[in-house]
Amino acid sequence: DSGVTQTPKHLITATGQRVTLRCSPRSGDLSVYWYQQSLDQGLQFLIQYYNGEERAKGNILERFSAQQFPDLHSELNLSSLELGDSALYFCASSGGWGGNGYTFGSGTRLTVV
Amino acid sequence: DQQVKQNSPSLSVQEGRISILNCDYTNSMFDYFLWYKKYPAEGPTFLISISSIKDKNEDGRFTVFLNKSAKHLSLHIVPSQPGDSAVYFCAASGAGGTYKYIFGTGTRLKVLA
Repeated sequence: DSGVTQTPKHLITATGQRVTLRCSPRSGDLSVYWYQQSLDQGLQFLIQYYNGEERAKGNILERFSAQQFPDLHSELNLSSLELGDSALYFCASSGGWGGNGYTFGSGTRLTVV
Repeated sequence: DQQVKQNSPSLSVQEGRISILNCDYTNSMFDYFLWYKKYPAEGPTFLISISSIKDKNEDGRFTVFLNKSAKHLSLHIVPSQPGDSAVYFCAASGAGGTYKYIFGTGTRLKVLA
């Protein structure tokens, strides 16, 4: 158990639908990062939150949004889903500086049919 | 724009021999480089990092080398063990003043017993 909890582990939904992925960071970590891993692709950075505020944004589609709540858990909302959104979505958390490494959750596998 | 590249999608090595995984980057503003290991159905786990002010960092069987002039880093695993079989991602951070990591596409290492 890495300490980062992601739910659900698997999600199957139809095109056009909306889903919410949830992440609880490791205790004490203020930063939460969301990444997308499509088939045979690397981990694509989506968005970072630090203590409730958006800190950095990557190649996140306008149909996607995220937020971090006062208890530091984060949610990634994906709407108007397309087949190409099928991927593994990872959440990671960190407590500090860049060389310390993130702690990743085990991911949510989203399948859009 | 792939700022971090892993040009070898896969690598096979005999148990006990050295595994060398390579990574190239384009952004000279990166100040930390990291390697992550990923097993199937799990999130990536942090392996080792190196600051841009160093050219080598060692941790047990794992050594990371950084060649800033060539914008190249490598991970050496000696001796390789079957349990090292996994996908290895290199990542870089620091450009733009955030702690977001830019990941490569990964190299699948298979250590043959």
